Parts: sequence; C-alpha cells; structure tokens
Amino acid sequence: GDSVTQMEGPVTLSEEAFLTINCTYTATGYPSLFWYVQYPGEGLQLLLKATKADDKGSNKGFEATYRKETTSFHLEKGSVQVSDSAVYFCALSHKMIKAAGNKLTFGGGTRVLVKP
Amino acid sequence: DGGITQSPKYLFRKEGQNVTLSCEQNLNHDAMYWYRQDPGQGLRLIYYSQIVNDFQKGDIAEGYSVSREKKESFPLTVTSAQKNPTAFYLCASSSVDGYTFGSGTRLTVV
Repeated sequence: GDSVTQMEGPVTLSEEAFLTINCTYTATGYPSLFWYVQYPGEGLQLLLKATKADDKGSNKGFEATYRKETTSFHLEKGSVQVSDSAVYFCALSHKMIKAAGNKLTFGGGTRVLVKP
Repeated sequence: DGGITQSPKYLFRKEGQNVTLSCEQNLNHDAMYWYRQDPGQGLRLIYYSQIVNDFQKGDIAEGYSVSREKKESFPLTVTSAQKNPTAFYLCASSSVDGYTFGSGTRLTVV
C-alpha cells in the first residue's frame, strides 16, 4: 500500500535560518503530493502541492519539487520566521476520479519551532 | 464563505459512553473523511464516504461508526468499543480541486 515517511522532529531553529524537511513516499503510479501545515489547536491547511514529476509547488516562501527518481518531495524555506512554527505534514493522493475524491495518506508530521 | 464546521471543539466522555462528533460542509463536496490524530503521529483514516448513503472503512474503523444521510453532513460516533478514544479528530471533504479540513474536535475520556 501507499506510505509516506518524513523526518521526525522536533526541528528547532533560529529566525532567518534555512529549513528543510525531508519526505519520501512509496506508491504505485503517479500520485499527487502535498504539504499541509497545522498550527496549534487547528486543522490542516494546504501549503503547496505538485501533481506530476518535476513540478515545483510553492507558497509563502516554501517550495517543494516532485522528484520521481528519488520518490521525494522535500520541503524547503530559505528564511524562516517565528510564525512558521507549526507541524508540517507530507501527504499523497492518487488522482481524483470525477468528483469522488481519493483519500490522503499522511506522513507522521514534523514539528518545527522557530526561535526569535 | 464555504467551509467545514466541526463541533464541538472540545468534548469529554466518560468511559463506556458513546459520543457523536459533528461535521458539516457547505462546499457541495461529494467526498468526506474522518481522520484521527494522536500526539507525535500522523493522521490515520477512520471512515470515508464518496457519496450520500455510502461509506467505507478506513485503516482504523474498529470502535467507530458513521452515517451519510445528507451530502452536507458526516457525523462520527465513537462507541464504547473504541479502546483508546482520546485523540484529535479531523473531518475533511474533497472535490477534484482538492481537500478542505475542519478545525478539529479534541475528545478526552475522563
């Protein structure tokens, strides 16, 4: 079955530091890949996504590139802020069929703490 | 604004009781999902529904039940058979454009 593995946290870094969170996946075919962010006590918000190999998703200074050859989708940000402190989840889904949708498979989440 | 509403935000249950978590969406999405989140772990799928009056078990369905009588609503019942129900529960819905999550319900057994 499908699976997603991401680096364990917590990751603690200083403001303006470079952030990388590794994510690798196992799946048949060509899934869509996602990064979600969860702030304390809240649900998940979509951060970025990529739907095919070599696509780069980006949003709010975060980037991730869909690497089919290494089955990876690592998240990066060049200069983090205190407000980026959250839990980040990597996830995959197979392509939507009609309007029915497909279930997401999540990694374990990585807690990031940015100190001023 | 369209979205998903989960209620209540916090819920306390005595051992041996059933409890129902509410999930309502006004996004006109066909598919809806329930996930469970435990500290330090990812989200695990409990149940999902792709259409009204139909639903399927996810990876950890034991001790839970759902219904999908209306497109907008997908309530989750945590039964007394669930051995360790204390967790954060997230509801989601989806269309071909993607997923939307609710803000979650934190259930604590006292």
